[in-house]
Amino acid sequence: GAGVSQSPSNKVTEKGKDVELRCDPISGHTALYWYRQSLGQGLEFLIYFQGNSAPDKSGLPSDRFSAERTGGSVSTLTIQRTQQEDSAVYLCASSLRTGGSYTFGSGTRLTVV
Amino acid sequence: GNSVTQMEGPVTLSEEAFLTINCTYTATGYPSLFWYVQYPGEGLQLLLKATKADDKGSNKGFEATYRKETTSFHLEKGSVQVSDSAVYFCALIETGSGSEKLVFGKGTKLTVNP
Repeated sequence: GAGVSQSPSNKVTEKGKDVELRCDPISGHTALYWYRQSLGQGLEFLIYFQGNSAPDKSGLPSDRFSAERTGGSVSTLTIQRTQQEDSAVYLCASSLRTGGSYTFGSGTRLTVV
Repeated sequence: GNSVTQMEGPVTLSEEAFLTINCTYTATGYPSLFWYVQYPGEGLQLLLKATKADDKGSNKGFEATYRKETTSFHLEKGSVQVSDSAVYFCALIETGSGSEKLVFGKGTKLTVNP
């Protein structure tokens, strides 16, 4: 596609429920990143994919967070047993190669009530 | 580890004023440096970049020069407009480090008044 697409754009969920966030990167982009942007917190790195493998998962906050990427394309970030502190905007970015310029999606705004 | 420090905001200027947003970095190798901008209600967009020492990135009247000796990448614009009101993020990526993640500063909110 023309840009990085994320869905849903907004998600309101009850505390304790599981959520799945989807990222569709630009076609052919091998590098894919997930970030979290909390109010007043700046951008927090979560996980990085090169193809289908995740060389760097160091930013995942807890074992409730997981992500996968299939076919070197679509990625899904899953948050289990959501907590209120998970409320944030989750951003996905992709790049043609590592070290290049990254194109960001518009994000998914997650609200846990 | 790698880190980026940018000036605390918010910054409020009048239209046509000169803008500087300071950014310094810490890296063990030779990073590429970026400025990203986030306009109200929108996603992050790449504003400009520089990949090696003394490179100057420029776009939309904004400029930043990669200064290895001072480990800095300050953002400047000679005459800001109301439409430049946004949050600006300085970032780096250290290629070949094995981590390959984009490291961001905390962001600086700019408001330009007419």
